[in-house]
Amino acid sequence: GAVVSQHPSRVICKSGTSVKIECRSLDFQATTMFWYRQFPKQSLMLMATSNEGSKATYEQGVEKDKFLINHASLTLSTLTVTSAHPEDSSFYICSIAGGSYNEQFFGPGTRLTVL
Amino acid sequence: GENVEQHPSTLSVQEGDSAVIKCTYSDSASNYFPWYKQELGKRPQLIIDIRSNVGEKKDQRIAVTLNKTAKHFSLHITETQPEDSAVYFCAASKRTGGGADGLTFGKGTHLIIQP
Repeated sequence: GAVVSQHPSRVICKSGTSVKIECRSLDFQATTMFWYRQFPKQSLMLMATSNEGSKATYEQGVEKDKFLINHASLTLSTLTVTSAHPEDSSFYICSIAGGSYNEQFFGPGTRLTVL
Repeated sequence: GENVEQHPSTLSVQEGDSAVIKCTYSDSASNYFPWYKQELGKRPQLIIDIRSNVGEKKDQRIAVTLNKTAKHFSLHITETQPEDSAVYFCAASKRTGGGADGLTFGKGTHLIIQP
């Protein structure tokens, strides 16, 4: 399967700052990438679909002005959490889809802690 | 949109016994149903998946069954071992001519294998 990396793996920031998370597809050209969020002891929730060269598609309830997504190349998508607050503290995971069905390959995740 | 229900939320079984986790989905267009095992702080790990044109799939101690009419699918783990202890998630998605969809996850099952 495809190899996906994320950077950073952990980040701690102060409330009100912005944080950028990178998702890279190392061996696959991904026109579509997905961003998920997982709060402690909860399930993964799809936040948005990142489309190379066009605007991201956000799920209901996800603020597009707060979670900025840029997918400028076939191997890189970035998620920027703007004006982060403690309630944004979560595990953020990206994935790419491959194959004739929808097999998804996940990045290792980024643990965001907002103080 | 898709809604995936997963039961039970916690399952405790004796080592060597079988474990069954069940999920239902709402969107009849969904055609891909993966199961993931997730350890604390790690990315989800695909353990088995099934596509809508198949009713059952087996891989050693793990099997998945799909009933499209009833819109439910189940994970079966036989001869459970202590290392099977983890949180398991079911998910559903579809791939159409328009491209891949993100995954909708169930809420997860905490599987505990008692020695």
